[in-house]
Amino acid sequence: DGGITQSPKYLFRKEGQNVTLSCEQNLNHDAMYWYRQDPGQGLRLIYYSQIVNDFQKGDIAEGYSVSREKKESFPLTVTSAQKNPTAFYLCASSGTGIVSPLHFGNGTRLTVT
Amino acid sequence: KNQVEQSPQSLIILEGKNCTLQCNYTVSPFSNLRWYKQDTGRGPVSLTIMTFSENTKSNGRYTATLDADTKQSSLHITASQLSDSASYICVVSGDPGAGSYQLTFGKGTKLSVIP
Repeated sequence: DGGITQSPKYLFRKEGQNVTLSCEQNLNHDAMYWYRQDPGQGLRLIYYSQIVNDFQKGDIAEGYSVSREKKESFPLTVTSAQKNPTAFYLCASSGTGIVSPLHFGNGTRLTVT
Repeated sequence: KNQVEQSPQSLIILEGKNCTLQCNYTVSPFSNLRWYKQDTGRGPVSLTIMTFSENTKSNGRYTATLDADTKQSSLHITASQLSDSASYICVVSGDPGAGSYQLTFGKGTKLSVIP
């Protein structure tokens, strides 16, 4: 079945450590996205990529980094510079049409103590 | 500033009853409006996408309406089931040429269906 796989589902880290969240898709989509979801807030865009080897900052990119070396993969690194990293992180992909829906993974819940 | 406001924040209904969720937006220019269902601890799943010219769209027991003049949308759930318990998120795309990354997300309505 086609879809998006995020791993791990839960991640615990100590403050000051970098951590990388995995996102893989087999939908053959060119565009991929990372969102952050906090309680009581709408999803906020961290980074997006419309093609391999290219990506753009979203609304809250500070303290995060990404790479897009393969079409299928779009890992997100949460660096120690991110002031409040504890959150639910969602990866998504979409086709190229304007009304193409976002297909989301099932998220990674990151807890930093 | 582009905004999407959803109401109510939360809703509890009895199994088998109908309900309607509201979405008001100030996004301009407008391209399309989307409704997603998000189960607890999982990623959102697309229910409907409506463009400017569409007034209503159905997906099984879910029917979305759109009034682009008043910038309002609603999601009507018919004959609710326990599995409808989830958060429902309204998302608006504001720039026809910008692609999916120009999306404004509402905070969602949390629906609980009880037996």
